Amino acid sequence: EAGVAQSPRYKIIEKRQSVAFWCNPISGHATLYWYQQILGQGPKLLIQFQNNGVVDDSQLPKDRFSAERLKGVDSTLKIQPAKLEDSAVYLCASSPSMTDTQYFGPGTRLTVL
Amino acid sequence: DAKTTQPNSMESNEEEPVHLPCNHSTISGTDYIHWYRQLPSQGPEYVIHGLTSNVNNRMASLAIAEDRKSSTLILHRATLRDAAVYYCILLSGAGSYQLTFGKGTKLSVIP
Repeated sequence: EAGVAQSPRYKIIEKRQSVAFWCNPISGHATLYWYQQILGQGPKLLIQFQNNGVVDDSQLPKDRFSAERLKGVDSTLKIQPAKLEDSAVYLCASSPSMTDTQYFGPGTRLTVL
Repeated sequence: DAKTTQPNSMESNEEEPVHLPCNHSTISGTDYIHWYRQLPSQGPEYVIHGLTSNVNNRMASLAIAEDRKSSTLILHRATLRDAAVYYCILLSGAGSYQLTFGKGTKLSVIP
């Protein structure tokens, strides 16, 4: 079974530029999560989708971050404009349902200069 | 979500057992104890979970104290591949089932 796929794996941008990350969850998984992991800390949940609807986006900085999962499968996370403090690894995870084990992708490492 | 306390780091010799402790003194009756681990440059992966009874799977064992205020993840024979950050997380069986990660315990395995 294929795991959660993410791209790109690495991205370097200047502050104030925009960037987008892509996630392809495990086939059939209804729930999709985006996490932000700053160096030395544990992952922090940004947004949770159930199919194509948002379940929780309370920790998403909505002035600059946006996410969508239009057809209930793939998802994109966008940052516009990026700040230095957005430098982190962005992890995508999926699970069959909201109460199941989460499976994580390898993450995208973002560096904002 | 109830909070957990773990040591920042631990060391183990290869092929020896490792006991990773977790304190969760404010755990409620419906909270499940979950363990995830994160290998270098990878996303976290599920290890094991339990509610009251001790649990075993192919990766590890979970020993839960009788009062449930603490638990221990046991790796029976540490290998170099077990070097990772281990996270102990409480998930409410009655809540949103979201993972709230702390800083975890960084396990180093010495050859």
